[in-house]
Amino acid sequence: EVQLVQSGAEVTKPGATLKISCKVSGYTFTNSYMHWVQQVPGKGLEWMGLVDPEDGETIYAEKFQGRVIISADTSTDTAYLELSSLRSDDTAFYYCATSSGGSRAYFDFWGQGTLVTVSS
Amino acid sequence: DIQMTQSPSSLSASVGDRVTITCQASQDISTYFNWYQQKPGTAPKLLIRDVANLEVGVPSRFSGSGFGTEFTFTISSLQPEDIATYYCQQYETQPYTFGQGTKVEIK
Repeated sequence: EVQLVQSGAEVTKPGATLKISCKVSGYTFTNSYMHWVQQVPGKGLEWMGLVDPEDGETIYAEKFQGRVIISADTSTDTAYLELSSLRSDDTAFYYCATSSGGSRAYFDFWGQGTLVTVSS
Repeated sequence: DIQMTQSPSSLSASVGDRVTITCQASQDISTYFNWYQQKPGTAPKLLIRDVANLEVGVPSRFSGSGFGTEFTFTISSLQPEDIATYYCQQYETQPYTFGQGTKVEIK
């Protein structure tokens, strides 16, 4: 059974840096890209970027370029999303998601989501 | 970026009604198009990929159609458990983009 298990909810202050994790099991980690999706509470879904765990190559949406680092550790089958210079409008659920289609971006497996709250 | 315009933003229908949601892409995305269902407090769930391919275990009352820039999602007979927000998504070009969502409620 494919599982993506994310780290727990975080509360942090403006300007801080935060790293959340997504540990996978049930499939070969390097066979599929890992994506991250942001959802502000009560709002829609926004794709942030992806990492290819096989070679570490990343692609980011322009909105998040420069403030987000997506990475993958193949020794622990874990993907990471690092958020820096956090602002109140970064308060959101962050989901990792992957595809059984490898590089194809239909997201048939999702983590449970990590709520990040940025507040002074 | 490819804009995905989904309509309506919300709808209210009776149990057993046929429900239709549309999604328009700002440019041709061929069949690189998916539909998701999200219930409150949970992660989105992929219902239909590549326009019309129903995921395993998804009831056959759900269906999708379209090509290019115009896409349709249909629930043939609305059930109480279908109460959720539905999102379309394109993956023809990065950044992958979603529609703004359609909240489906029971009348």
